[in-house]
Amino acid sequence: QWHLQESGPGLVKPSETLSLTCSVSDGSVSSTNFYWGWIRQPPGKGLEWIGSVYYSGKTFYNPSLKSRLTISVDTSKNQFSLKLSSVTAADTAMYYCAREYYGSSGSFDYWGQGTLVTVSS
Amino acid sequence: QSALTQPASVSGSPGQSITISCTGTSGDVGTYKLVSWYQQHPGKAPKLIIYEVTKRPSGVSNRFSASKSGNTASLTISGLQAEDEAEYHCCSYAGSSTFNVFGTGTKVTVL
Repeated sequence: QWHLQESGPGLVKPSETLSLTCSVSDGSVSSTNFYWGWIRQPPGKGLEWIGSVYYSGKTFYNPSLKSRLTISVDTSKNQFSLKLSSVTAADTAMYYCAREYYGSSGSFDYWGQGTLVTVSS
Repeated sequence: QSALTQPASVSGSPGQSITISCTGTSGDVGTYKLVSWYQQHPGKAPKLIIYEVTKRPSGVSNRFSASKSGNTASLTISGLQAEDEAEYHCCSYAGSSTFNVFGTGTKVTVL
């Protein structure tokens, strides 16, 4: 049973960089069968796909976030990470990491519990 | 890329069937057989209940079924139960520039 766990600061100041890590256990991020994705949900709103990364490092980004976004994978630590720069209050959200079927875009079958990130001074 | 359009809320009585629509465009739902559906209970992470338009992951009740016609995908919950009360989200692949787009979400209430 795969387990994903997000970690990182719960409070980020405006204009700074939001950094989160997703640790994967009971499975390997090096698997060729999956992408590794980030999804967020502002309070009371719907889900927004942020981006995904393959074990090789190939990335797929939401065009609306691409200029501020970096997603990477560290196979030695069995983790993948998200960095979102120049944050504003609009980036306040619950951030989830999830496993995505390779070749079946949008099929996220294992999710972390989520971590709330608030952007405020 | 705009979010896919879902009704804000749908309700039904126990035992009834309800259907949730997810309307996109020819650039996403209308072209690709990559529509997924998620169930999300309050305070919990979403759970995948349908992928690739009609497929159910192992362990998901067969009371959940889905289809697609043109630019609209649909999720049907039959034999509605109290535990089905949750938020439901659709998601579609939207091509190699946009990738994934989620719907606006639908709150299902069991009366």
